[in-house]
Amino acid sequence: EPEVTQTPSHQVTQMGQEVILRCVPISNHLYFYWYRQILGQKVEFLVSFYNNEISEKSEIFDDQFSVERPDGSNFTLKIRSTKLEDSAMYFCASSEPGRSYGYTFGSGTRLTVV
Amino acid sequence: RKEVEQDPGPFNVPEGATVAFNCTYSNSASQSFFWYRQDCRKEPKLLMSVYSSGNEDGRFTAQLNRASQYISLLIRDSKLSDSATYLCVVNWVDSSYKLIFGSGTRLLVRP
Repeated sequence: EPEVTQTPSHQVTQMGQEVILRCVPISNHLYFYWYRQILGQKVEFLVSFYNNEISEKSEIFDDQFSVERPDGSNFTLKIRSTKLEDSAMYFCASSEPGRSYGYTFGSGTRLTVV
Repeated sequence: RKEVEQDPGPFNVPEGATVAFNCTYSNSASQSFFWYRQDCRKEPKLLMSVYSSGNEDGRFTAQLNRASQYISLLIRDSKLSDSATYLCVVNWVDSSYKLIFGSGTRLLVRP
């Protein structure tokens, strides 16, 4: 079964440092997403990406966040200057076109900011 | 009103029991509905889509009531392996297929 692959599985970083979380979506999917889940809380939408541009972003996705699809296969989330409150699980997801399809999520990157 | 609201549980049931989860959503224009399952510290996994006519997948039955903006999931003959958090998820129609998640209902199936 096709998978969404995320690396690394766990990243520890110092406050103020930049981190890049990487994702390889399913190859024939056209929509890509980042979600996050703070421990004990619900899954929250960050950003959606289609046709090489952001199609929507949430209030959480402020200027310190950016996304990129540099080479047609990878999809990255960059956090420029991490804060303690950025500690969370970050899930990448991809979907086929059409609202009736659910997403496939990657296994997530656990980001710990110290 | 919360966008997607679920009873957090936990529901603690014996093996073999039937258990039902409910969910309400606030955006009446939503078009797609799903139940996801999430194990502790793992990614959400699609359990099933929910259709207006209701749909069944083995021991799992999902129902949608658009008029009441209400979604349900019924699990029959619970197994120990069903222990997980069940997430009610709704497509937000005014967006790029963005999904909005409920906080989840935790199910514990005991021997």
